[in-house]
Amino acid sequence: GAGVSQSPSNKVTEKGKDVELRCDPISGHTALYWYRQRLGQGLEFLIYFQGNSAPDKSGLPSDRFSAERTGESVSTLTIQRTQQEDSAVYLCASSTTTSTDTQYFGPGTRLTVL
Amino acid sequence: EDQVTQSPEALRLQEGESSSLNCSYTVSGLRGLFWYRQDPGKGPEFLFTLYSAGEEKEKERLKATLTKKESFLHITAPKPEDSATYLCAVGILTGGGNKLTFGTGTQLKVEL
Repeated sequence: GAGVSQSPSNKVTEKGKDVELRCDPISGHTALYWYRQRLGQGLEFLIYFQGNSAPDKSGLPSDRFSAERTGESVSTLTIQRTQQEDSAVYLCASSTTTSTDTQYFGPGTRLTVL
Repeated sequence: EDQVTQSPEALRLQEGESSSLNCSYTVSGLRGLFWYRQDPGKGPEFLFTLYSAGEEKEKERLKATLTKKESFLHITAPKPEDSATYLCAVGILTGGGNKLTFGTGTQLKVEL
């Protein structure tokens, strides 16, 4: 079946602009995670969604970052007033339940802030 | 603080030359130790999950083992197509979810 998809695959923007990144999880997966991968660093957890529960936003680095998810479908990650340090690959993952189930990753969106 | 350290950072092997990658961790409330493979420009691809010390899992030329402090990914008789970055992550329960904390990876290059 189809895996996790993300769009766009690449995004180049100017400092100060807002960007929106999209994630389509695997159908039937209730949990969705966003991670950030900066060059030479490990993936960092950003935010977690589970159904209609309040999201876990503990990993968001600043209030310029926000994310939404409607039910168990698409999620969008929004970065306002982008800065050069926001340049990274943003990865989305989904899993079937919440506790120990494997997370399956999408191909990521490479964001470059000039 | 939860930490995951992978070594070596980079590894060059000749085809057929077996070796091991290390992942050491300190975490409270481990909810699984995960191994992923990541090719350039792609998202991580799931390999294994280990849940308790002593557990082992195998897939083709790869074997993952787990102790209370570390995990090893053993690669037996590697081939050039095994070249990739191998990522280790620990799962930490977060309000019902399973937040992953990743190491920085081991970049493996297998040469003919």
